[in-house]
Amino acid sequence: DIVMTQSPDSLAVSLGERATINCKSSQSVLYSSNNKNYLAWYQQKPGQPPKLLIYWASTRGSGVPDRFSGSGSGTDFTLTISSLQAEDVAVYYCQQYYGTPPYTFGQGTKLEIE
Amino acid sequence: EVQLVESGGGLVQPGGSLRLSCSASGFTFSSYAMHWVRRAPGKGLEYVSGITSNGGSTYYADLVKGRFSISRDNSKNTIYLQMSSLRGEDTAVYYCVKDQTGTYSRWFDPWGQGTLVTVSS
Repeated sequence: DIVMTQSPDSLAVSLGERATINCKSSQSVLYSSNNKNYLAWYQQKPGQPPKLLIYWASTRGSGVPDRFSGSGSGTDFTLTISSLQAEDVAVYYCQQYYGTPPYTFGQGTKLEIE
Repeated sequence: EVQLVESGGGLVQPGGSLRLSCSASGFTFSSYAMHWVRRAPGKGLEYVSGITSNGGSTYYADLVKGRFSISRDNSKNTIYLQMSSLRGEDTAVYYCVKDQTGTYSRWFDPWGQGTLVTVSS
């Protein structure tokens, strides 16, 4: 199984500042035939189900604010929140969906306001 | 609007069984693979099981293989997760999620609200 490792485990950022979360996969999730990275990011707020933020490593989901962006390729990926808002406090997960299941998740990164 | 509504969670004793259901609406259910993902208290998200659109292929995480069984009824727009030989470590909120194709290999969107399963004596 592909192991997903996020860093850091927790992060405190001031309002209006940039937040960066990293995700590393134990093997490449880049599919050479279509040049797509099979990597998604989700946001989970307390008491709510996870919500899709990013797919194909860098495509924002429907209705996701443009302060959220994804980057990276192969085995190393980053989720960036350009200007942190109070409503962004949540746990963030990366997930690979390469090949057949299991589609493993990172351990999660807890984002708080400093 | 796409909606996924889970039901069937509750308190069960170790070694017991439970069947979760997920009722879907707002999309052509028979065209999409579906999955179950869980989140144990204080832990992260864990992939549990998946089923293709026609039910012809299923997948289970190693931790639940042989104990859980996923199925679907496309006439009722519903998927099921039959759980048996339940253990304390199966305690979690179980989420039903929609894939983006009839087979696997796409992101999960949307997610249901989840149903809580508690395994305890």
